Amino acid sequence: SQTIHQWPATLVQPVGSPLSLECTVEGTSNPNLYWYRQAAGRGLQLLFYSVGIGQISSEVPQNLSASRPQDRQFILSSKKLLLSDSGFYLCAWSGAAQETQYFGPGTRLLVL
Amino acid sequence: SQQGEEDPQALSIQEGENATMNCSYKTSINNLQWYRQNSGRGLVHLILIRSNEREKHSGRLRVTLDTSKKSSSLLITASRAADTASYFCATDEGGSYIPTFGRGTSLIVHP
Repeated sequence: SQTIHQWPATLVQPVGSPLSLECTVEGTSNPNLYWYRQAAGRGLQLLFYSVGIGQISSEVPQNLSASRPQDRQFILSSKKLLLSDSGFYLCAWSGAAQETQYFGPGTRLLVL
Repeated sequence: SQQGEEDPQALSIQEGENATMNCSYKTSINNLQWYRQNSGRGLVHLILIRSNEREKHSGRLRVTLDTSKKSSSLLITASRAADTASYFCATDEGGSYIPTFGRGTSLIVHP
Protein backbone atom coordinates (compact mmCIF):
# COMPACT_ATOMS: atom_id res chain seq x y z
CA SER A 1 0.00 0.00 0.00
CA GLN A 2 1.03 3.58 -0.56
CA THR A 3 2.14 5.84 2.27
CA ILE A 4 3.24 9.45 2.39
CA HIS A 5 5.56 10.91 4.99
CA GLN A 6 6.28 14.48 5.98
CA TRP A 7 8.78 15.86 8.41
CA PRO A 8 9.20 17.54 10.66
CA ALA A 9 5.75 17.53 12.22
CA THR A 10 6.28 20.87 13.91
CA LEU A 11 8.83 23.59 13.34
CA VAL A 12 9.47 26.94 15.00
CA GLN A 13 11.84 29.16 13.08
CA PRO A 14 13.00 32.78 13.41
CA VAL A 15 12.29 35.30 10.69
CA GLY A 16 15.04 35.30 8.07
CA SER A 17 16.11 31.72 8.69
CA PRO A 18 16.09 29.06 5.95
CA LEU A 19 13.50 26.31 5.60
CA SER A 20 13.50 22.78 4.30
CA LEU A 21 10.44 20.55 4.53
CA GLU A 22 10.58 17.06 3.12
CA CYS A 23 7.91 14.78 1.74
CA THR A 24 8.40 11.22 0.55
CA VAL A 25 5.98 8.72 -0.94
CA GLU A 26 6.27 4.95 -0.75
CA GLY A 27 4.55 2.21 -2.67
CA THR A 28 3.97 3.99 -5.98
CA SER A 29 5.98 5.15 -8.96
CA ASN A 30 5.96 8.46 -10.81
CA PRO A 31 3.37 10.12 -8.59
CA ASN A 32 2.18 13.66 -9.11
CA LEU A 33 3.27 15.61 -6.05
CA TYR A 34 1.83 18.74 -4.48
CA TRP A 35 2.62 21.26 -1.75
CA TYR A 36 -0.25 23.13 -0.11
CA ARG A 37 -0.39 25.73 2.64
CA GLN A 38 -3.37 26.04 4.94
CA ALA A 39 -3.83 29.14 7.07
CA ALA A 40 -5.79 28.78 10.30
CA GLY A 41 -9.46 28.12 9.56
CA ARG A 42 -8.94 28.46 5.84
CA GLY A 43 -8.89 26.28 2.78
CA LEU A 44 -5.89 24.91 0.98
CA GLN A 45 -3.68 27.08 -1.17
CA LEU A 46 -1.75 25.19 -3.82
CA LEU A 47 1.89 26.27 -3.79
CA PHE A 48 3.70 23.86 -6.13
CA TYR A 49 3.05 20.72 -8.08
CA SER A 50 5.30 18.31 -9.93
CA VAL A 51 4.54 15.70 -12.58
CA GLY A 52 8.06 14.29 -12.68
CA ILE A 53 11.66 14.59 -11.49
CA GLY A 54 12.93 18.12 -11.90
CA GLN A 55 9.54 19.36 -13.16
CA ILE A 56 8.08 21.98 -10.83
CA SER A 57 5.16 24.29 -11.45
CA SER A 58 4.59 27.25 -9.16
CA GLU A 59 1.10 28.50 -8.49
CA VAL A 60 1.83 31.45 -6.23
CA PRO A 61 4.88 33.73 -6.51
CA GLN A 62 6.57 34.03 -3.14
CA ASN A 63 9.79 33.39 -1.34
CA LEU A 64 9.26 29.63 -1.33
CA SER A 65 10.66 27.14 -3.80
CA ALA A 66 10.26 23.43 -4.40
CA SER A 67 12.45 20.70 -5.77
CA ARG A 68 12.00 17.08 -6.74
CA PRO A 69 15.41 15.44 -6.68
CA GLN A 70 14.00 11.90 -6.79
CA ASP A 71 10.83 10.34 -8.14
CA ARG A 72 9.17 10.07 -4.75
CA GLN A 73 10.75 12.98 -2.91
CA PHE A 74 9.42 16.53 -2.83
CA ILE A 75 11.12 19.32 -0.90
CA LEU A 76 9.79 22.75 0.03
CA SER A 77 12.44 25.37 0.76
CA SER A 78 12.99 28.98 1.58
CA LYS A 79 16.18 30.97 1.89
CA LYS A 80 14.68 33.54 4.27
CA LEU A 81 11.41 32.95 6.11
CA LEU A 82 8.83 35.68 6.58
CA LEU A 83 6.25 35.94 9.36
CA SER A 84 3.58 35.36 6.73
CA ASP A 85 5.07 31.94 5.94
CA SER A 86 3.58 30.57 9.15
CA GLY A 87 0.95 27.94 8.52
CA PHE A 88 0.20 24.28 8.06
CA TYR A 89 2.02 22.76 5.10
CA LEU A 90 0.59 19.70 3.46
CA CYS A 91 2.16 17.44 0.89
CA ALA A 92 -0.03 15.26 -1.30
CA TRP A 93 0.32 12.81 -4.15
CA SER A 94 -1.95 11.54 -6.88
CA GLY A 95 -1.71 8.75 -9.39
CA ALA A 96 -1.98 8.65 -13.16
CA ALA A 97 -5.73 9.38 -13.05
CA GLN A 98 -4.79 12.59 -11.22
CA GLU A 99 -8.16 12.87 -9.56
CA THR A 100 -7.93 11.80 -5.95
CA GLN A 101 -5.19 13.24 -3.78
CA TYR A 102 -3.63 11.51 -0.79
CA PHE A 103 -2.28 13.77 1.89
CA GLY A 104 0.57 13.52 4.34
CA PRO A 105 0.17 14.36 8.03
CA GLY A 106 1.36 17.94 7.56
CA THR A 107 4.00 20.21 9.05
CA ARG A 108 3.01 23.06 11.32
CA LEU A 109 5.40 25.97 10.81
CA LEU A 110 5.56 28.93 13.15
CA VAL A 111 7.79 31.81 12.15
CA LEU A 112 8.63 34.17 15.00
CA SER B 1 -8.78 30.85 -6.89
CA GLN B 2 -11.63 29.44 -4.83
CA GLN B 3 -13.95 27.18 -6.77
CA GLY B 4 -15.99 25.23 -4.25
CA GLU B 5 -17.54 27.08 -1.34
CA GLU B 6 -18.93 25.08 1.55
CA ASP B 7 -21.95 26.06 3.56
CA PRO B 8 -22.38 26.37 6.47
CA GLN B 9 -18.94 27.38 7.70
CA ALA B 10 -19.65 25.70 11.02
CA LEU B 11 -22.17 23.11 12.15
CA SER B 12 -22.83 21.84 15.66
CA ILE B 13 -25.12 18.84 16.25
CA GLN B 14 -25.83 16.10 18.75
CA GLU B 15 -24.66 12.54 18.29
CA GLY B 16 -27.21 10.54 16.33
CA GLU B 17 -28.44 13.49 14.29
CA ASN B 18 -27.79 13.87 10.58
CA ALA B 19 -25.32 16.46 9.30
CA THR B 20 -25.71 18.11 5.93
CA MET B 21 -23.07 20.23 4.29
CA ASN B 22 -23.34 21.96 0.95
CA CYS B 23 -20.84 22.97 -1.69
CA SER B 24 -21.40 25.41 -4.53
CA TYR B 25 -19.12 26.00 -7.47
CA LYS B 26 -18.99 28.37 -10.41
CA THR B 27 -17.72 26.66 -13.57
CA SER B 28 -18.43 23.32 -15.19
CA ILE B 29 -16.72 20.32 -13.64
CA ASN B 30 -15.87 16.75 -14.49
CA ASN B 31 -15.96 15.58 -10.90
CA LEU B 32 -16.37 16.79 -7.34
CA GLN B 33 -14.72 15.30 -4.29
CA TRP B 34 -15.28 15.51 -0.56
CA TYR B 35 -12.44 15.30 1.93
CA ARG B 36 -12.29 15.20 5.69
CA GLN B 37 -9.65 16.76 7.93
CA ASN B 38 -9.29 16.03 11.60
CA SER B 39 -7.76 18.86 13.61
CA GLY B 40 -4.05 19.22 12.90
CA ARG B 41 -3.97 16.35 10.43
CA GLY B 42 -3.87 15.81 6.69
CA LEU B 43 -6.95 15.52 4.52
CA VAL B 44 -8.54 12.17 3.86
CA HIS B 45 -10.46 11.45 0.70
CA LEU B 46 -14.07 10.45 1.32
CA ILE B 47 -15.86 10.21 -1.97
CA LEU B 48 -15.70 11.31 -5.62
CA ILE B 49 -18.78 11.95 -7.71
CA ARG B 50 -18.60 12.49 -11.45
CA SER B 51 -20.58 15.06 -13.37
CA ASN B 52 -22.80 12.38 -14.90
CA GLU B 53 -23.73 10.98 -11.48
CA ARG B 54 -26.46 12.37 -9.27
CA GLU B 55 -25.97 10.46 -6.05
CA LYS B 56 -23.36 8.28 -4.41
CA HIS B 57 -23.22 6.40 -1.14
CA SER B 58 -20.38 5.20 1.05
CA GLY B 59 -21.34 3.78 4.42
CA ARG B 60 -23.06 6.58 6.36
CA LEU B 61 -22.13 9.13 3.72
CA ARG B 62 -24.43 10.25 0.95
CA VAL B 63 -23.30 12.72 -1.68
CA THR B 64 -25.55 14.36 -4.24
CA LEU B 65 -24.60 16.47 -7.22
CA ASP B 66 -26.84 18.90 -9.08
CA THR B 67 -24.92 20.22 -12.07
CA SER B 68 -27.79 22.50 -13.10
CA LYS B 69 -27.48 24.32 -9.77
CA LYS B 70 -23.71 23.81 -9.59
CA SER B 71 -24.01 22.41 -6.11
CA SER B 72 -23.33 19.29 -4.10
CA SER B 73 -24.30 18.12 -0.66
CA LEU B 74 -22.69 15.74 1.80
CA LEU B 75 -25.00 14.02 4.25
CA ILE B 76 -23.62 12.14 7.23
CA THR B 77 -26.32 10.01 8.80
CA ALA B 78 -26.46 8.98 12.46
CA SER B 79 -23.46 11.13 13.31
CA ARG B 80 -20.91 10.14 15.92
CA ALA B 81 -18.55 12.20 18.03
CA ALA B 82 -15.74 10.76 15.91
CA ASP B 83 -17.21 12.54 12.86
CA THR B 84 -16.05 15.84 14.37
CA ALA B 85 -13.77 17.30 11.70
CA SER B 86 -13.63 19.81 8.88
CA TYR B 87 -15.10 18.76 5.56
CA PHE B 88 -13.91 20.14 2.25
CA CYS B 89 -15.23 19.89 -1.26
CA ALA B 90 -12.85 20.00 -4.19
CA THR B 91 -13.61 20.48 -7.86
CA ASP B 92 -11.60 20.21 -11.05
CA GLU B 93 -12.07 23.86 -11.97
CA GLY B 94 -11.96 24.66 -15.67
CA GLY B 95 -10.81 21.19 -16.60
CA SER B 96 -7.66 21.38 -14.51
CA TYR B 97 -6.72 17.99 -13.11
CA ILE B 98 -5.65 19.62 -9.88
CA PRO B 99 -8.63 19.87 -7.51
CA THR B 100 -9.44 23.28 -6.09
CA PHE B 101 -10.51 23.18 -2.45
CA GLY B 102 -13.11 25.24 -0.66
CA ARG B 103 -12.66 26.67 2.83
CA GLY B 104 -14.48 23.83 4.50
CA THR B 105 -17.28 23.22 6.95
CA SER B 106 -16.30 22.66 10.55
CA LEU B 107 -18.52 19.97 12.05
CA ILE B 108 -18.76 19.38 15.78
CA VAL B 109 -20.73 16.38 16.99
CA HIS B 110 -21.52 16.49 20.69
CA PRO B 111 -21.68 13.14 22.52
